[in-house]
Amino acid sequence: EAGVTQSPTHLIKTRGQQATLRCSPISGHTSVYWYQQALGLGLQFLLWYDEGEERNRGNFPPRFSGRQFPNYSSELNVNALELEDSALYLCASSLANTDTQYFGPGTRLTVL
Amino acid sequence: AQSVTQPDIHITVSEGASLELRCNYSYGATPYLFWYVQSPGQGLQLLLKYFSGDTLVQGIKGFEAEFKRSQSSFNLRKPSVHWSDAAEYFCAVGLNQAGTALIFGKGTTLSVSS
Repeated sequence: EAGVTQSPTHLIKTRGQQATLRCSPISGHTSVYWYQQALGLGLQFLLWYDEGEERNRGNFPPRFSGRQFPNYSSELNVNALELEDSALYLCASSLANTDTQYFGPGTRLTVL
Repeated sequence: AQSVTQPDIHITVSEGASLELRCNYSYGATPYLFWYVQSPGQGLQLLLKYFSGDTLVQGIKGFEAEFKRSQSSFNLRKPSVHWSDAAEYFCAVGLNQAGTALIFGKGTTLSVSS
């Protein structure tokens, strides 16, 4: 069974640009979570999507947004990139009504 | 506020020696507890989880963890460490609700010496 997949593996952008990160959950999982792992800040919860809706978000500005598609895959968009957005972005998925989250390999975003 | 503390930032253990990584949590209710491992440049792999029942849980790769409610702890152990265990280990807590954001500790980096 395939795990959570993320693309791209690496992404390099400049300040002010937009970044789009993609995630495909484990087959059968309907919930998708996004976390940011920035140097020195640890793992911080960004967003939770379930059944196509944003259900919860962490303490991040609105320029962090996303969506979930009918096939449960998800996209994270970061607008107006800032240098401090450089981080590993991890996607996780879970079955409905459980909170065991399985993580993908991450997308390394570098903002120059 | 909920929090997870991993007191040890970095631990070095000799190959073949035993290992214990500490995790303490502060949570309003009985939490669900997890240990994840992250190899350099990789995502997180679930090692084990505790929801209820037996307070000693077994995980993958020979790891186990013990939930101690009185000490608000969930320490990870392994009787004999292998060089391939070198990685960063994260303790996390969550509620029994879908969509709950996991709260992670800052992580403990494990180095294994020969």
